[in-house]
Amino acid sequence: SQQGEEDPQALSIQEGENATMNCSYKTSINNLQWYRQNSGRGLVHLILIRSNEREKHSGRLRVTLDTSKKSSSLLITASRAADTASYFCVLSSNTGKLIFGQGTTLQVKP
Amino acid sequence: NAGVTQTPKFRVLKTGQSMTLLCAQDMNHEYMYWYRQDPGMGLRLIHYSVGEGTTAKGEVPDGYNVSRLKKQNFLLGLESAAPSQTSVYFCASSPGRGFYNEQFFGPGTRLTVL
Repeated sequence: SQQGEEDPQALSIQEGENATMNCSYKTSINNLQWYRQNSGRGLVHLILIRSNEREKHSGRLRVTLDTSKKSSSLLITASRAADTASYFCVLSSNTGKLIFGQGTTLQVKP
Repeated sequence: NAGVTQTPKFRVLKTGQSMTLLCAQDMNHEYMYWYRQDPGMGLRLIHYSVGEGTTAKGEVPDGYNVSRLKKQNFLLGLESAAPSQTSVYFCASSPGRGFYNEQFFGPGTRLTVL
């Protein structure tokens, strides 16, 4: 399969803790994106990291990319209850299409 | 701006019935996409369009047809619905090719085929 494999599938933490989600893939990529999906809603773009970048920040989000290991991680610092959602690693393939992983379900307990 | 909107939000069909899902975007985006999301799976691309009057097949196109007569609208049709098409359908748009641009998603249409 070309899709990203997210790990863990589910994560439950307390408010204020950090949450780390990992994504591994097998194919070559142009870039990798992370999206969030709140229950019953559409996906919202969080961050895009290009294949020649190693780390990117956006607010409380930090994304890393290791193309030699074919892996990426999303770190959410100082999590909030509102961060409760599913997070998807999305590969941008050489064909120009986006390939979605199965997602990590994050629950942040207040 | 409304962003990406989808009509209807919910629908129940009987096997063999037909229906059309409407997606509209007001961001003047060239690219539009239809995905389906099934439990425990990521989104899978059904069809997409790179501009007005164009359509192309995605990963799972069988049983669906699409049309992009106007730049702002992208229609997904089911000619003869089957239970296997029970899913949540998402429309998305992007200003350019998906892998250089983020995609903007609609709220989804939950379709049940009995």
